[in-house]
This record gives sequence, C-alpha cells and structure tokens, in this order.
Amino acid sequence: EDKVVQSPLSLVVHEGDTVTLNCSYEVTNFRSLLWYKQEKKAPTFLFMLTSSGIEKKSGRLSSILDKKELFSILNITATQTGDSAVYLCAVGRVQGAQKLVFGQGTRLTINP
Amino acid sequence: DVKVTQSSRYLVKRTGEKVFLECVQDMDHENMFWYRQDPGLGLRLIYFSYDVKMKEKGDIPEGYSVSREKKERFSLILESASTNQTSMYLCASLGTANSPLHFGNGTRLTVT
Repeated sequence: EDKVVQSPLSLVVHEGDTVTLNCSYEVTNFRSLLWYKQEKKAPTFLFMLTSSGIEKKSGRLSSILDKKELFSILNITATQTGDSAVYLCAVGRVQGAQKLVFGQGTRLTINP
Repeated sequence: DVKVTQSSRYLVKRTGEKVFLECVQDMDHENMFWYRQDPGLGLRLIYFSYDVKMKEKGDIPEGYSVSREKKERFSLILESASTNQTSMYLCASLGTANSPLHFGNGTRLTVT
C-alpha cells in the first residue's frame, strides 16, 4: 500500500530558529513530491519536486528530494511567526497521476 | 490565479440528513477532487472526477456520492449524514498532471 509519512507531527520553535521537516514515502511508480502550507484554510502550494538532488528555493524556504532513499526535506530558515502552519507533503504517481497520496502533516508553531 | 470556491465555510447538520457540499472552479480544469481532513490522518481522497459525468472512487468513498453535471462544478453528497462524517472537507482542482492541486478554503461539517 502506498504510504507517505511526515515527521515530526508537531514542532514548536522560537522565532529565528531554522527548522527541517521530513517526508518519507513508499509509493509505486513515483512521479512527483509536493509540499503545501496550510494555515487556517486552503493549503497553498510551495514546491513540486521530480528530480533527485536539485534544491528548490523560495525565499527562506527550500526543499530537496532524494529518490534513492525515498524522502524529501523542507527547510525554513530564520523562522517567523507567519510560518506557523501545517505543512503537508504529498506524492503523485505515474499512473493515476491525479491522485496524490498525502502524509499526516507537520504542525509547526513559531513562538515570538 | 485559479479560484476554487466552496459554498459553505461551516455547516451543522443532524444525523440522517442529506447533505450537499458544493465546489466551483473557474479555470476550466478537467480534474476535481473531494478530500476529507482529520487530525492525525492527513488528507484522504473520497472521490475524484476527470471529466463531466465521470467519477472515480478514492480511498474512502463509503457513505458519500458525487455529481459532476458541469465542468466547473463538483458536488459531494452525504446521503444520510452520520457523526463519523464530522470533518473538514476540501475540494481541489487540477489542470494537468504536471501542475499542483489548487484547493478551496474547506467546509467544516459537524454532524450532531
């Protein structure tokens, strides 16, 4: 059965800290891995990763994929209170590419 | 920008009621999805539709049905609501397999 596991499930840090969120997967016919940020409402798209070892970056956020070890990390540097959210990892498959498999999410809380 | 609109933000229904959750997207996307989101379980796919009048079961279709009479609109129906269907329901749409899902703001349904 296809599975996506995120860790930690919950994380509380102080403003200015750097955090690393993890996502591991066991999915047949892997196509892509996506990260979303969910505050109080709609998850918003952060990154889509398809190739191993290529870092994607957006401001203080970055992510990388390791297709050999079947995981991805999402890094946030110099965290701010606005980074507090649930971060979702999802994996798309080659067949049935539309049907993403989601992890449980990591709830990140940034304290001032 | 893609807009996915869910008709209700909060709903309270009684056990046994028939419940309709409506979702509209404005980007002419072929694919639309209904997920439910529960703490510790992440997002789970209920149903998706890849074209008008076409639908496919997701991972947890029991107790739900869907309707897609027009391309822009995808409805989730709870034929006889039960308390275990209390959840956050998220609608999403997708243009191509290489693009990310776009989510609505969610409907928090409480069944009493």
